Amino acid sequence: GAGVSQSPRYKVAKRGQDVALRCDPISGHVSLFWYQQALGQGPEFLTYFQNEAQLDKSGLPSDRFFAERPEGSVSTLKIQRTQQEDSAVYLCASSLGAPRSDTQYFGPGTRLTVL
Amino acid sequence: AQSVTQLGSHVSVSEGALVLLRCNYSSSVPPYLFWYVQYPNQGLQLLLKYTSAATLVKGINGFEAEFKKSETSFHLTKPSAHMSDAAEYFCAVLTGTASKLTFGTGTRLQVTL
Repeated sequence: GAGVSQSPRYKVAKRGQDVALRCDPISGHVSLFWYQQALGQGPEFLTYFQNEAQLDKSGLPSDRFFAERPEGSVSTLKIQRTQQEDSAVYLCASSLGAPRSDTQYFGPGTRLTVL
Repeated sequence: AQSVTQLGSHVSVSEGALVLLRCNYSSSVPPYLFWYVQYPNQGLQLLLKYTSAATLVKGINGFEAEFKKSETSFHLTKPSAHMSDAAEYFCAVLTGTASKLTFGTGTRLQVTL
């Protein structure tokens, strides 16, 4: 496919469980972003990678959240010991080069529900 | 800090009527501004972006937006609404060396017959 893909599309977790969300960016895209979108809100920035380097993780809400992109392509967002407030749609976006000039293309998101 | 404010969480227009979705930004440096559209259970799709070139920006699906520095606004318009325009619209700003988009809270557009 030509777009950003994310899996799973839907995830239900019991409080306290660990979850891993996957993002496959557009092939060749250098920059990758994770956003969190709570119900009825706009997306909020979590973290940013340029190739395999995590250049900005200022938006991660707690140390339970961890993201990686070890080979500069696929990225995984991991949430440990999930809480109900973690319920949201997690969006991944990628851009070809520097984010200031290039469009961010978004995936369909993973809807996480924590019971 | 850079931010955007979208006035009106819900806007309803008749099919064929003018669409006007409002966005005001706050930035101490010239901003890059974006409008994205989100259909149910889908990701965000870029409608248009302002990157300090022409102040009137034309996007996809007949939408356009005008950057007005004096009013710190970047309102989205479309002359004639279509039923397929019903969706959530987000204004966003990216400024300076920031690597992230800061989004508004969104405006849900309803189009009625």
